[in-house]
Amino acid sequence: DVKVTQSSRYLVKRTGEKVFLECVQDMDHENMFWYRQDPGLGLRLIYFSYDVKMKEKGDIPEGYSVSREKKERFSLILESASTNQTSMYLCASSMEALSSYEQYFGPGTRLTVT
Amino acid sequence: DAKTTQPPSMDCAEGRAANLPCNHSTISGNEYVYWYRQIHSQGPQYIIHGLKNNETNEMASLIITEDRKSSTLILPHATLRDTAVYYCIVRVSASGTYKYIFGTGTRLKVLA
Repeated sequence: DVKVTQSSRYLVKRTGEKVFLECVQDMDHENMFWYRQDPGLGLRLIYFSYDVKMKEKGDIPEGYSVSREKKERFSLILESASTNQTSMYLCASSMEALSSYEQYFGPGTRLTVT
Repeated sequence: DAKTTQPPSMDCAEGRAANLPCNHSTISGNEYVYWYRQIHSQGPQYIIHGLKNNETNEMASLIITEDRKSSTLILPHATLRDTAVYYCIVRVSASGTYKYIFGTGTRLKVLA
């Protein structure tokens, strides 16, 4: 069974702290994605990666960075957390295929920055 | 990028068909339409996708208009377990791969 896991379900951090959110997939997928989800806004893409060490900005990358040193792991980094980064963070992965491109999502990490 | 528009909420009686509409009037010819749903406190789950033709699987049917400017997800016999937020998504080309453009979702409530 396909699996995407995220390091924490709930996280509370203070303003200015450096925050690491980890995502691991066991499906040997090439692509990995980080989204944030806020009420009334749906899911918005922060960063994605289509290969090891490759990263591309999504639609809202400001205030975030990412790291992909191994194929199965994709980390989201908040260099200096701010209260407006309080959100649900979702990781996803997918294989590369022209006609079938299902993304598999993890359960999410609810981050609160105080 | 193409954007999708969905009604914020809908109700459906248990056992009846649920028809969830989506407008994607700026979609390009090679961009797929995907539907996912999200049950509270879980990540979104894939339902179905299509390009031009209508599609059906064990979960749902997807009807895409001939001009591709809109689509409808049909859950043929809704159950209480189908209560969820349903997202209509357009898949667009991105650097080296593809990315999803999510709509804001329709909250479907199935009523007993």
